[in-house]
Amino acid sequence: QEQLLESGGGLVKPGGSLRLSCSTSGFTFTNYFMTWVRLTPGKGLEWLSSISSSGNNKYFADSVKGRFSISRDNAHNSVFLQMNSLRAEDTAVYFCARDRHVRACCTPGGASFYFYYIDVWGSGTTVTVSS
Amino acid sequence: DIQMTQSPSSLSASVGDRVTITCRASESIRSYLNWYQQRPGKAPKLLIYAASNLESGVPSRFSGSGSGTEFTLTISSLQPDDFATYYCQQGYSSPRPFGQGTTLYIK
Repeated sequence: QEQLLESGGGLVKPGGSLRLSCSTSGFTFTNYFMTWVRLTPGKGLEWLSSISSSGNNKYFADSVKGRFSISRDNAHNSVFLQMNSLRAEDTAVYFCARDRHVRACCTPGGASFYFYYIDVWGSGTTVTVSS
Repeated sequence: DIQMTQSPSSLSASVGDRVTITCRASESIRSYLNWYQQRPGKAPKLLIYAASNLESGVPSRFSGSGSGTEFTLTISSLQPDDFATYYCQQGYSSPRPFGQGTTLYIK
């Protein structure tokens, strides 16, 4: 059974930093992209960042670009989200998620590409940014 | 970047009703649109991927359709468990935003 377990959430002051961890089990970690998503009462679900299976490719939402970074440790089946310069609007429940990437055909130029969907979610960890 | 817009933002319905939620992309995402259900206090759950493919274990009363920029999620006969918030998400290119969500309330 695939499992994702987030940790590292908590209360932090504005401008502070926090590192979220996600440990995984029950699947071959190195076969999957991994993603972080957050849920806020006001904005709903927000996709934040994804990392390729090798860790070589990383993608970010504009709202966190330059402040958040994503990394993974394939030897320990874990993914991380480093959050710096935190703001009150970063207060949310943060979910780690497994990304399926499926090869599809084709771009206008004839190249194959991947499409993505999230098929497994962790239970979330709460981050509160407040003075 | 591609933007996703859902409508309506909320919907009131009764058990047994048929409901449809719409999601629009700001540019073509071909058929790479996913739907998720989120209940309070729970992790989101994948319902449909690539516009019309039902995830394993999801009841057949859920269905999806569409391509290009306009997509729909239909629940053919609402059950009590279905009163939740539904989100679309484009799976075509990064960044991959969600729609703003549609909350289904019991009438």
